[in-house]
Amino acid sequence: DIQMTQSPASLSASLGETVTIECRASEDIYNGLAWYQQKPGKSPQLLIYNANSLHTGVPSRFSGSGSGTQYSLKINSLQSEDVASYFCQQYYDYPFTFGSGTKLEIK
Amino acid sequence: EVQLVESGGGLVQPGRSLKLSCAASGFTFSNYYMAWVRQAPKKGLEWVATISTSGSRTYYPDSVKGRFTISRDNAKSSLYLQMNSLKSEDTATYYCARLGGPSLAYYFDYWGQGVMVTVSS
Repeated sequence: DIQMTQSPASLSASLGETVTIECRASEDIYNGLAWYQQKPGKSPQLLIYNANSLHTGVPSRFSGSGSGTQYSLKINSLQSEDVASYFCQQYYDYPFTFGSGTKLEIK
Repeated sequence: EVQLVESGGGLVQPGRSLKLSCAASGFTFSNYYMAWVRQAPKKGLEWVATISTSGSRTYYPDSVKGRFTISRDNAKSSLYLQMNSLKSEDTATYYCARLGGPSLAYYFDYWGQGVMVTVSS
């Protein structure tokens, strides 16, 4: 199985700041990577797919990058509504696997 | 608007069975692979099952293989998860999710609101 190592586990930042969340795969996943946002008490929502493509309706302050085994999610101009947990997921190979999540809070 | 609405959760004793349902609307259900993903309380996400558009192919992780069965009824735009021999570690919120394309290797582009399953005596 492909292991997904996500960091940091938690993150605290001020409004307007830029934050970056990292995800490392245990082998090359050829950009088969998605990022999800899960707000408290809600279901996950797709943000980014194919490592760098923005899902419909997602604000442009979210962006994804990376290749091979290393990927990142960047959030520009942090807003209060961005308080959530964020998960990466590889869909290059079964079983699909997720990162352990990053909890983002506002300072 | 894509909508996925799960039902059928609840409290069940270890070793017993439970069947979850997911009603889909807002898209052509038969054109998409579908899946179940679960999340144990305060934990991360775990993929549970995927089914092909016709229902002829199904996929499971080792943790549920042989105990869980995913199925679908395209005429009713519905997805199901039959869970047998339930264990305490199956306690989780179960999400119905749509794969973002007509094949196996896609991300989950829409999720339901989730249904809670608690396995306890």
